[in-house]
Amino acid sequence: EAQVTQNPRYLITVTGKKLTVTCSQNMNHEYMSWYRQDPGLGLRQIYYSMNVEVTDKGDVPEGYKVSRKEKRNFPLILESPSPNQTSLYFCASSPTSGASSGEQYFGPGTRLTVT
Amino acid sequence: QKEVEQDPGPLSVPEGAIVSLNCTYSNSAFQYFMWYRQYSRKGPELLMYTYSSGNKEDGRFTAQVDKSSKYISLFIRDSQPSDSATYLCAMSSISNDYKLSFGAGTTVTVRA
Repeated sequence: EAQVTQNPRYLITVTGKKLTVTCSQNMNHEYMSWYRQDPGLGLRQIYYSMNVEVTDKGDVPEGYKVSRKEKRNFPLILESPSPNQTSLYFCASSPTSGASSGEQYFGPGTRLTVT
Repeated sequence: QKEVEQDPGPLSVPEGAIVSLNCTYSNSAFQYFMWYRQYSRKGPELLMYTYSSGNKEDGRFTAQVDKSSKYISLFIRDSQPSDSATYLCAMSSISNDYKLSFGAGTTVTVRA
């Protein structure tokens, strides 16, 4: 089944404890992206990647890191999480190297709570 | 001011009614316009995609883009309880098509 998977789905952690949210897609997509979703603010892009080893900042990159060493994986790293990073996180992928295809396939989401 | 404005609702309609959703935007460079549907506890899924101005119809769904007014709409005809979801508009420009700008989403409930 073609899909984007994220792990973990739910995570409660404490301020300052480094964490990684994994994202993997099995569709051989070039483009991958991370979003956070907050009430009243919609989806905001954190980072995106056009291809392996090519990443760039989105609208809200502060406090996050990413890497794209393999085409299928795009982990999101929070080096020192803070309570304002409590949010619902989505990973997405697209078959083209740009978002203009519109067809972004989203993962199921990761609910992160930082206390 | 946000780049994309969308009334969050919520919107509650009886089954069979027409649902009308809309977004306004400020960036005149936007050329690609999308509507995503998001069910509770799920990721968004693409519902409609249009390029530049005009209308697009797909079954019970119609998307309209009016670039002169910087206004896009989604209409759902003969709404069903299964249409109950949050609908998000999204858009991007040709020069920066790696970046999608989303509206906040409108929550719709269709009552049986």
